[in-house]
Amino acid sequence: QKEVEQNSGPLSVPEGAIASLNCTYSDRGSQSFFWYRQYSGKSPELIMSIYSNGDKEDGRFTAQLNKASQYVSLLIRDSQPSDSATYLCAVDTSGTYKYIFGTGTRLKVLA
Amino acid sequence: DTGVSQDPRHKITKRGQNVTFRCDPISEHNRLYWYRQTLGQGPEFLTYFQNEAQLEKSRLLSDRFSAERPKGSFSTLEIQRTEQGDSAMYLCASSLMGARETQYFGPGTRLLVL
Repeated sequence: QKEVEQNSGPLSVPEGAIASLNCTYSDRGSQSFFWYRQYSGKSPELIMSIYSNGDKEDGRFTAQLNKASQYVSLLIRDSQPSDSATYLCAVDTSGTYKYIFGTGTRLKVLA
Repeated sequence: DTGVSQDPRHKITKRGQNVTFRCDPISEHNRLYWYRQTLGQGPEFLTYFQNEAQLEKSRLLSDRFSAERPKGSFSTLEIQRTEQGDSAMYLCASSLMGARETQYFGPGTRLLVL
């Protein structure tokens, strides 16, 4: 069973701090990795995609990928209360186009 | 706005009734996916289409579920003889086939079976 694991949280950080969200996956053949943000009652919204080992930065967001350790992370700098949401890690499955999602990490940014 | 759209956004039905949901993907996208999400869980894959061909179905998709994408454009997901366990958010996503393709989600249809 191919799996994606995330700590469900909640992860509470003060406004302006760095939030660090982590994800591990089991399928060594996975090539594409995504972070989606989901507000309560809404659908997932793409935040970042990453395909190669290392860091990828987009504004306040940095995704980090380590395929050897099967580990993906998302850093949110200067966290804002509006960042409070559930962050879903998604991984493609080798040989198919479907994504496997983690259960999500709930982030709370305290004003 | 040319994002993924879904209809209806909310559906309340009684156990045993049939329901049908519609998804309109981003216009140039040739892949379309259906996922189901229950409270506290991530989306779970149900099925996907490449153009009009249904290429994979999850074992979660029982005989009561059927999906179509008749002309490679919009898709429908039908649930027959609904059960309370079918209550969930049904999400549709679409993508453009190619290297580093990315799935974009619609707003979802929230189903409540009484």
